[in-house]
Amino acid sequence: KTQVEQSPQSLVVRQGENCVLQCNYSVTPDNHLRWFKQDTGKGLVSLTVLVHENDKTSNGRYSATLDKDAKHSTLHITATLLDDTATYICVVGDRGSALGRLHFGAGTQLIVIP
Amino acid sequence: EAAVTQSPRNKVTVTGGNVTLSCRQTNSHNYMYWYRQDTGHGLRLIHYSYGAGNLQIGDVPDGYKATRTTQEDFFLLLELASPSQTSLYFCASSPWGGADTGQLYFGEGSKLTVL
Repeated sequence: KTQVEQSPQSLVVRQGENCVLQCNYSVTPDNHLRWFKQDTGKGLVSLTVLVHENDKTSNGRYSATLDKDAKHSTLHITATLLDDTATYICVVGDRGSALGRLHFGAGTQLIVIP
Repeated sequence: EAAVTQSPRNKVTVTGGNVTLSCRQTNSHNYMYWYRQDTGHGLRLIHYSYGAGNLQIGDVPDGYKATRTTQEDFFLLLELASPSQTSLYFCASSPWGGADTGQLYFGEGSKLTVL
C-alpha cells in the first residue's frame, strides 16, 4: 500500500504564477519529511527538510509546511520560472537513525509554460 | 556539493544478460544506496551499505546483488536480467544514515532496458 500520496499528479502553470503541491502520508512514525526536485533525466536534489510538528521552512521561492497531526505537507512555489519545470518528490523518513526507511511519493510533475 | 557518479548512463541488454551498474562517490560518505524508479511509483530501495564490505537488503532485492568494494564504490549486479528490471536506477550516498535528517545525494541515474 502506498504510504506517501502526492497531488496533483501533474500541474501546468504559467510563468510567474504561484502553485501549491500536496503530500499526504500514513508513515508511522514520521521522523522527518523532505522535498526533492527532479529535473527530467536527472537525479533528485533536496529542496528542504521538515522535522517538527507545524514546521515551516523557506528556501528562496520555495516554502514548505508540515502538519504531523494531519500527516500532511505542502510545498509552495512562488513566481514560478521555466526552470521550475520538474518532478517534485515528497519523502518521509520513519526514524531518526540508520535503521529507518525513506518512503518516497511518486511525485508531482510541474510544467511551467511561458 | 557531494558528487555521486553513475555508469553507464544508458544500457540495453537482452533477457538473461549480465549487467553491472557502477556508482562512485567522492565525499567519504558512509552510506550508499541503490534505488529503482518506475513510472507511477516512488523510488524503491534495492540494496544499501554502510561501509566497505557491508551489504544490507532493501525492500525489493529479488534478482539483484550488490557489492561495496571500497568506501567510494558500490555496484549493482543483475546476473540474469529480466524485462521486469527495465527501470531507471539511482545511486545515492549519505554521510550518516539516510533516514535521519542528514542530506541524501543522488547520482544522475542509469537507464536500463531489458529486451
